Amino acid sequence: QKEVEQDPGPLSVPEGAIVSLNCTYSNSAFQYFMWYRQYSRKGPELLMYTYSSGNKEDGRFTAQVDKSSKYISLFIRDSQPSDSATYLCATPSPIPTFGRGTSLIVHP
Amino acid sequence: GAVVSQHPSRVICKSGTSVKIECRSLDFQATTMFWYRQFPKQSLMLMATSNEGSKATYEQGVEKDKFLINHASLTLSTLTVTSAHPEDSSFYICSASWGQETQYFGPGTRLLVL
Repeated sequence: QKEVEQDPGPLSVPEGAIVSLNCTYSNSAFQYFMWYRQYSRKGPELLMYTYSSGNKEDGRFTAQVDKSSKYISLFIRDSQPSDSATYLCATPSPIPTFGRGTSLIVHP
Repeated sequence: GAVVSQHPSRVICKSGTSVKIECRSLDFQATTMFWYRQFPKQSLMLMATSNEGSKATYEQGVEKDKFLINHASLTLSTLTVTSAHPEDSSFYICSASWGQETQYFGPGTRLLVL
């Protein structure tokens, strides 16, 4: 079992929809979690990072961590075509570990 | 946010030659830099972790004599792919961090070995 699991998708939604992207992890020692957005042929861009359980909001993005179930989520409100990208969840330690990414397609 | 640059952005080389990729943190001092490789539609695969002034730590299965990493300063790390072969063609991405948590990524270097 990979330490960070993520459904590769693709996930296709209409513009304006609420998007839910999810990851599960297996190592309870993981403390920090990040979400990155990666456009095709580009390096990942940090969207959000969280430490504690609960929600963290930044504009249209909300990151949620549930450490009891080892489940992390990223919600995107009012999705836009420009949100179409691959979203990677990650944890930095003990060694950087990334999910394989979920491909999101927001169609007009 | 923190900015990390990579050079070159893409390179095409002949089989057997060596290629050097530079990674720079432009507005912060990076205590740690990471090198990743990413194949199409795959996740990032960590190759090695380097700390300024010390030898890089390579992940299992990554040949340290083939992928030479130098981290000479707090703002510069280089990855040299020695005697490149077509199977080394990939997207190489570096990231930089000043702590244990957040990594900031460069834009990546696309390597094509003919």
